[in-house]
Amino acid sequence: SSILTQPPSVSVAPGETARISCGGDNIRSQGVHWYQQKPGQAPVLVVCDDSDRPSGIPERFSGSSSGNMATLTISRVEAGDEADYYCQVWDSSGDHPGVFGGGTKLTVL
Amino acid sequence: QVQLQESGPGLVKSSETLSLTCTVSGFSISRGYYWAWIRQPPGKGLEWIGSLSHSGRSYYNPSLKSRVTMSVDTSKNQMSLKLNSATAADTAVYYCARVPAETHYFDYWGQGTLVAVSS
Repeated sequence: SSILTQPPSVSVAPGETARISCGGDNIRSQGVHWYQQKPGQAPVLVVCDDSDRPSGIPERFSGSSSGNMATLTISRVEAGDEADYYCQVWDSSGDHPGVFGGGTKLTVL
Repeated sequence: QVQLQESGPGLVKSSETLSLTCTVSGFSISRGYYWAWIRQPPGKGLEWIGSLSHSGRSYYNPSLKSRVTMSVDTSKNQMSLKLNSATAADTAVYYCARVPAETHYFDYWGQGTLVAVSS
């Protein structure tokens, strides 16, 4: 089954670019999805299928995937982007298909 | 607009069954999507519990599979979760979510409901 590894924390100044990584052995063969979760709220899907943005998500949010690593990029970071971010894959080849990364706390300095 | 709402007891005694319902509005639960339960212990990350289609196709987290029952009631547009033999480790916020069948991401979420298991 997939294990997804994320850095526990990332810090960035307002207006800069934040990059959050998600590593896993089987990422190259699966779509990676990203969620934003603010305190006390349910997660929100911000990127699906590696790089697609759901309706209503700002263009500042983008995703990419190469080899065994996927990256969520947030451009022109705003204070309101401070949140936990989780990556997720569906590994249909294993017995544990639904997998989340451990989450990354994005702090806007 | 698709909306999901979890409901159920906020406190469950240890060794008893944790039971939750997710009511879906703005979308028919029988329209070909999967429906999932995900939980989050206080201060921790997200854990997928299982996904179920209206036709009964299911996937479960192997670490919970022996204790989990999920079902869909199309007449009420609801899905349910039962987790038996609950322990303190099952204390968490429980979310239900909609799942496109082809890609299995979670595109709509309920607000979540906190369930505490008392010893």
